[in-house]
Amino acid sequence: GEDVEQSLFLSVREGDSSVINCTYTDSSSTYLYWYKQEPGAGLQLLTYIFSNMDMKQDQRLTVLLNKKDKHLSLRIADTQTGDSAIYFCAESPGGNNRKLIWGLGTSLAVNP
Amino acid sequence: DTAVSQTPKYLVTQMGNDKSIKCEQNLGHDTMYWYKQDSKKFLKIMFSYNNKELIINETVPNRFSPKSPDKAHLNLHINSLELGDSAVYFCASSQESENTIYFGEGSWLTVV
Repeated sequence: GEDVEQSLFLSVREGDSSVINCTYTDSSSTYLYWYKQEPGAGLQLLTYIFSNMDMKQDQRLTVLLNKKDKHLSLRIADTQTGDSAIYFCAESPGGNNRKLIWGLGTSLAVNP
Repeated sequence: DTAVSQTPKYLVTQMGNDKSIKCEQNLGHDTMYWYKQDSKKFLKIMFSYNNKELIINETVPNRFSPKSPDKAHLNLHINSLELGDSAVYFCASSQESENTIYFGEGSWLTVV
């Protein structure tokens, strides 16, 4: 079946690296996404990775994809208080980018 | 310029009322969506329209009726509101040739 799982909470100290993990079930997913939701705000696309890639880096963000284990991670280097938000992982089952399957989100708390 | 805009942002209404949420995108996208995010932050697609045609219709009570007057607009009308309809409703849009979905800021609906 279709399922995306994430741990619900993560707490880090300012300046440390944060690693948010996600597992998915559909091996045919073409793209995997990370979205950010700040309190009381909408969903902001952070980054996405194509399924034939292992890694994608974008400034402080590094996405790692282990397709064999169906594991996706988002690493935020030098985490800042402004990074406090909920981070959602999503997959596109069967390559259908119109019907994303979402995780429940990981609440990241950054402590000064 | 807001790419995907939805109104109202906040709506408090009584059970049994009928209400609408409007959405407009100025990105020239051909596909628009309505998502529902419940109190546990679970995000689920409700509807999707491509060039004004309904292409995704998940298991949603028929009290919810989307209407797309043109491909830049997708409105959501809800009849006979129930307490369980309280949620955040997100409008989104995408272009078939691209890989990403862009979300609006959300509409916080509270039914009392």
